[in-house]
Amino acid sequence: NAGVTQTPKFRILKIGQSMTLQCAQDMNHNYMYWYRQDPGMGLKLIYYSVGAGITDKGEVPNGYNVSRSTTEDFPLRLELAAPSQTSVYFCASSPDRTKNIQYFGAGTRLSVL
Amino acid sequence: AQTVTQSQPEMSVQEAETVTLSCTYDTSESDYYLFWYKQPPSRQMILVIRQEAYKQQNATENRFSVNFQKAAKSFSLKISDSQLGDAAMYFCAYKVQGAQKLVFGQGTRLTINP
Repeated sequence: NAGVTQTPKFRILKIGQSMTLQCAQDMNHNYMYWYRQDPGMGLKLIYYSVGAGITDKGEVPNGYNVSRSTTEDFPLRLELAAPSQTSVYFCASSPDRTKNIQYFGAGTRLSVL
Repeated sequence: AQTVTQSQPEMSVQEAETVTLSCTYDTSESDYYLFWYKQPPSRQMILVIRQEAYKQQNATENRFSVNFQKAAKSFSLKISDSQLGDAAMYFCAYKVQGAQKLVFGQGTRLTINP
């Protein structure tokens, strides 16, 4: 019953540091997504993947990179962290486009100081 | 542009009463889906209810139901017999069939008064 698992839950970075947010799902879903949620706002799509080896940009991809080497894992890489990347990051997965339901992880709260 | 608007930043209701959360959206698409997600203090985004635009019948899930007015582009959520555990941020979201992106509204914070 793990679903979508995100690690870490919290992280503080200094400006210019890099880090990788981990996301894993055990539901054998082809589609995976990364969103960010800024204070008082809804979620915005950063990147998505429709299967292993295939990724594409969402609405707000600048400053981030992703990779998808396996069906289960979809890490999000922050290079040269900036204060504007302070946010809560959510990973989600979906079995296919027809169901149109996305299942979310519990999020990673990131602060860049 | 596809947008989702939740005009009520905060709502409150007495326990056991009924509350309705509003959502409007803007789209030129004909085949799309609408969702209500609940985000409790734990931050986990939980799907509450889902509506296919091609279905005229309003979706229901136990105490949760929607009023889907396609022509008016309105998608409100009604919570009956409110419980303390319903307290959370509620987000309305929209997705075009075949697209990847969920478009979220700004959220409504719901407080349940005992």
